[in-house]
Amino acid sequence: DQQVKQNSPSLSVQEGRISILNCDYTNSMFDYFLWYKKYPAEGPTFLISISSIKDKNEDGRFTVFLNKSAKHLSLHIVPSQPGDSAVYFCAAGTYKYIFGTGTRLKVLA
Amino acid sequence: NAGVMQNPRHLVRRRGQEARLRCSPMKGHSHVYWYRQLPEEGLKFMVYLQKENIIDESGMPKERFSAEFPKEGPSILRIQQVVRGDSAAYFCASSPDTIANTGELFFGEGSRLTVL
Repeated sequence: DQQVKQNSPSLSVQEGRISILNCDYTNSMFDYFLWYKKYPAEGPTFLISISSIKDKNEDGRFTVFLNKSAKHLSLHIVPSQPGDSAVYFCAAGTYKYIFGTGTRLKVLA
Repeated sequence: NAGVMQNPRHLVRRRGQEARLRCSPMKGHSHVYWYRQLPEEGLKFMVYLQKENIIDESGMPKERFSAEFPKEGPSILRIQQVVRGDSAAYFCASSPDTIANTGELFFGEGSRLTVL
């Protein structure tokens, strides 16, 4: 029973365009939603988060949107850069975070 | 200014041996979390500890796995009598508080366990 799902295992985007990564969750009690970026053989790196009381949070090229009624979370990266190529994990929870299985983003130069 | 430190980065064990993975949280952090990532999968929560206390071990296998976070020293994840299915990357994360402004966990580089 997967509480946090990333249904797209991979995504390819042209450099300069928008990357949209999606995440669905089932538990309406989650307090925080986070996005992490991971390179091979490294630990996950925090990107951006949003609390359940907000519907949008922006940090530079990264914006996270939260749709509580749909239990849906998305990460927008604009403009996408080749260095953004990595695996992106969404996570949700309160103190114990449930991670999705990840989406591999490839930004093409 | 060190981040979360995990060692060893790579560990090879034969079936039946014990594996010990260590994690030193970031300075000032008193909460430690262990996650496991199997090949081609996401990170699975294993256990959440504070100093000298296990807060939530709902993700830990019932047998062979144990974790501690003593008053002094690093947190240790111990796997006894390892089997091939234990081969994975084990990540440790820390946080200063459970109610941080961003909810962020700071992750270490991970310890990759290979069981032969």
